Amino acid sequence: NAGVTQTPKFQVLKTGQSMTLQCAQDMNHNSMYWYRQDPGMGLRLIYYSASEGTTDKGEVPNGYNVSRLNKREFSLRLESAAPSQTSVYFCASKKIQNTGELFFGEGSRLTVL
Amino acid sequence: GENVEQHPSTLSVQEGDSAVIKCTYSDSASNYFPWYKQELGKRPQLIIDIRSNVGEKKDQRIAVTLNKTAKHFSLHITETQPEDSAVYFCAETMDSSYKLIFGSGTRLLVRP
Repeated sequence: NAGVTQTPKFQVLKTGQSMTLQCAQDMNHNSMYWYRQDPGMGLRLIYYSASEGTTDKGEVPNGYNVSRLNKREFSLRLESAAPSQTSVYFCASKKIQNTGELFFGEGSRLTVL
Repeated sequence: GENVEQHPSTLSVQEGDSAVIKCTYSDSASNYFPWYKQELGKRPQLIIDIRSNVGEKKDQRIAVTLNKTAKHFSLHITETQPEDSAVYFCAETMDSSYKLIFGSGTRLLVRP
């Protein structure tokens, strides 16, 4: 099992460009998440999907869109990238509501110039 | 609950000493409190968790304590080793919620 797989691992964008971060999990988990990690600010929740067919905003959703393509895949899209979106992005998944371990991908480092 | 504060932001200890990291939360409905460890350049991983129906949980050199009245919970690492050096994150959530909200992290350095 690969667990949670994110692509790309590194990306450099110019301000105003768009891109999509892809995430897939092979653990048959119901819930999937996108976090961003910035120095001194921990892990902040961008969007999450409690189950296939649903998505909800987290703490910092502005500037992002998501798609829960199927049970395995959850993508994060930046329509018009801004320097403030320079960050490390982590996708994660877990099997059940509230409790249970959150499994993270390896992260995607995005730089917006 | 969507607010958890974590202290200190950095912590340096001598190998063999104990380390304590504390988090406070605001919503009394929160009832699940995990701790994640993130080594440099790697993904966060769960190391221990506690539910609100217990006050303490131990796993070898690490333990977590919960004070529901004061709304805070702490991670205790005893006999620290250099491989404990990492960033540690607390988190909280509640029944009926799918959101897991993290604290800002504590960078622990264990000096040999």
